[in-house]
Amino acid sequence: RKEVEQDPGPFNVPEGATVAFNCTYSNSASQSFFWYRQDCRKEPKLLMSVYSSGNEDGRFTAQLNRASQYISLLIRDSKLSDSATYLCVVNGKIGNQFYFGTGTSLTVIP
Amino acid sequence: ETGVTQSPTHLIKTRGQQVTLRCSSQSGHNTVSWYQQALGQGPQFIFQYYREEENGRGNFPPRFSGLQFPNYSSELNVNALELDDSALYLCASSSQTVFEQFFGPGTRLTVL
Repeated sequence: RKEVEQDPGPFNVPEGATVAFNCTYSNSASQSFFWYRQDCRKEPKLLMSVYSSGNEDGRFTAQLNRASQYISLLIRDSKLSDSATYLCVVNGKIGNQFYFGTGTSLTVIP
Repeated sequence: ETGVTQSPTHLIKTRGQQVTLRCSSQSGHNTVSWYQQALGQGPQFIFQYYREEENGRGNFPPRFSGLQFPNYSSELNVNALELDDSALYLCASSSQTVFEQFFGPGTRLTVL
């Protein structure tokens, strides 16, 4: 079983839409959770950390459900500039070793 | 910009050759992690270096090796290159107290 599983999409949504991504993880001992964004042929960039209580940053909301071992990312009022691949990241068994999902591709259409 | 730099940006090698990739960590970060990202996949953890020692390793063979220097910069060495080693190699810097990792722009390796 993979450490982190994501629906690869692609998600094609119109501008202004709300879109949600989910991700499940297998290691119940994981302590740190993140969403990264990766533009085509670029490096991943930290979008937001995910806290147990859930957290929001502008149009982006991240939530963690430890009981079901999944994290989610909600993007409201999608912009063209949100088009990218979104990577779910969970820390592993050893310190801050990261496990990445395969990424979910989002295209926002005018 | 993250302040993490990698060199070279692109590299073409042939099967059986050896390659060394370099990474300079962000100021204030003492930990460097290396990842391999094949096309269409998420980054896969290779190993992590902290205090000049390997601090965790993913499922990669021994021909993948690394170093960390006193200034926290790091090298990734790959011996006996195989076609499947063609990928984007990313390094990420972090500290032992703040778990967010910040990535460099990557080195795109092509093995022919």
